[in-house]
Amino acid sequence: AQTVTQSQPEMSVQEAETVTLSCTYDTSENNYYLFWYKQPPSRQMILVIRQEAYKQQNATENRFSVNFQKAAKSFSLKISDSQLGDTAMYFCAFMKQRNSGNTPLVFGKGTRLSVIA
Amino acid sequence: DAGVIQSPRHEVTEMGQEVTLRCKPISGHNSLFWYRQTMMRGLELLIYFNNNVPIDDSGMPEDRFSAKMPNASFSTLKIQPSEPRDSAVYFCASRSIGTSDTQYFGPGTRLTVL
Repeated sequence: AQTVTQSQPEMSVQEAETVTLSCTYDTSENNYYLFWYKQPPSRQMILVIRQEAYKQQNATENRFSVNFQKAAKSFSLKISDSQLGDTAMYFCAFMKQRNSGNTPLVFGKGTRLSVIA
Repeated sequence: DAGVIQSPRHEVTEMGQEVTLRCKPISGHNSLFWYRQTMMRGLELLIYFNNNVPIDDSGMPEDRFSAKMPNASFSTLKIQPSEPRDSAVYFCASRSIGTSDTQYFGPGTRLTVL
């Protein structure tokens, strides 16, 4: 079974600064996807960024980027130029890749990020 | 696209009552997932369907929980009888097999069982 660990229950960052959220996972799979989801107080789950395990290049979406270390099974999220609207719970998630059909997400416990003005 | 639609958004009921949560996936998506979020256990999968067929219901906590997907555009999650420990936020998510690896979530249903 896959497990996802987020070791930082809470973090804070000053507005305009950079923050990195940690995530490690355990799996015997070779083909899989990794995701970061954001959950603001509205509780809506919003996809922030995704990474295919077969790609060596780290994914980037505007101010959000990841550091994917497959051998170390590490998948951290870097938020640059933090904004007040980035305040939310952030969940790291793992998904097996199957050609035969979809598989569910396995989530970490989340990191609560507060951006301070 | 309207996104994944869930109803009701909030439900307050008394212990022992039947509760039915509803989900309409994104049109064209053929996988549907039910997740539950609690403070203690975080986000956990309850059950998921591919092409309306239940694939894995090992996350369904007890026989009190049941889920159906009678067609590609509708699913229900039923709790009968409900208990206070069922209080949680229940999310539905959908995805299209083969064309996207991303699951899209509904807004969730906050259930409170008194």
